[in-house]
Amino acid sequence: DAKTTQPTSMDCAEGRAANLPCNHSTISGNEYVYWYRQIHSQGPQYIIHGLKNNETNEMASLIITEDRKSSTLILPHATLRDTAVYYCIVRVAVRGGGNKLTFGTGTQLKVEL
Amino acid sequence: ETGVTQTPRHLVMGMTNKKSLKCEQHLGHNAMYWYKQSAKKPLELMFVYNFKEQTENNSVPSRFSPECPNSSHLFLHLHTLQPEDSALYLCASSQVGRDSPLHFGNGTRLTVT
Repeated sequence: DAKTTQPTSMDCAEGRAANLPCNHSTISGNEYVYWYRQIHSQGPQYIIHGLKNNETNEMASLIITEDRKSSTLILPHATLRDTAVYYCIVRVAVRGGGNKLTFGTGTQLKVEL
Repeated sequence: ETGVTQTPRHLVMGMTNKKSLKCEQHLGHNAMYWYKQSAKKPLELMFVYNFKEQTENNSVPSRFSPECPNSSHLFLHLHTLQPEDSALYLCASSQVGRDSPLHFGNGTRLTVT
């Protein structure tokens, strides 16, 4: 699976958009990009995933560059409850198999007043 | 409520004890996973089950023994643990499919004394 690079930490003002970058320059054509977040002492929470096209759901938007070598997770109106570690994971989907995800160290997002 | 329930939430055990961690998913998934998260380290995949069959053992010591009696339940039996096994143990589930995301429980915080 392709390796990802994320900033160690970021700050965001409450009510503003939080844009979390992820670099995955060695991604291959059949690898998906997944985003999770983990609030202290809880399990990771699935946010969104995509292959090529931009994706949006009730939590966030995922913007994948045309060459697929990087992506950005956008939380449109960050709140204090969005303070968490955000993980960007690249994974080949295995047909008929489980979906093993390898977590890195992620980005610690701190949302402040 | 994540749809994946882990019990107990906290567990303290001595090195000679035998205990079990339980995971139940209510999402209709057919793949289940155990992850370990030690302090200030990334999540580490331990075991994967697809349709009740173990498909991955990530070089986990034999003092950890998983059991998957059906697609909804997963256990981790513990015996003769070491203090360095103290960690957050996380269970996850997903559909067996190309890009199905994992859904995590909130984990069992294990302390080995």
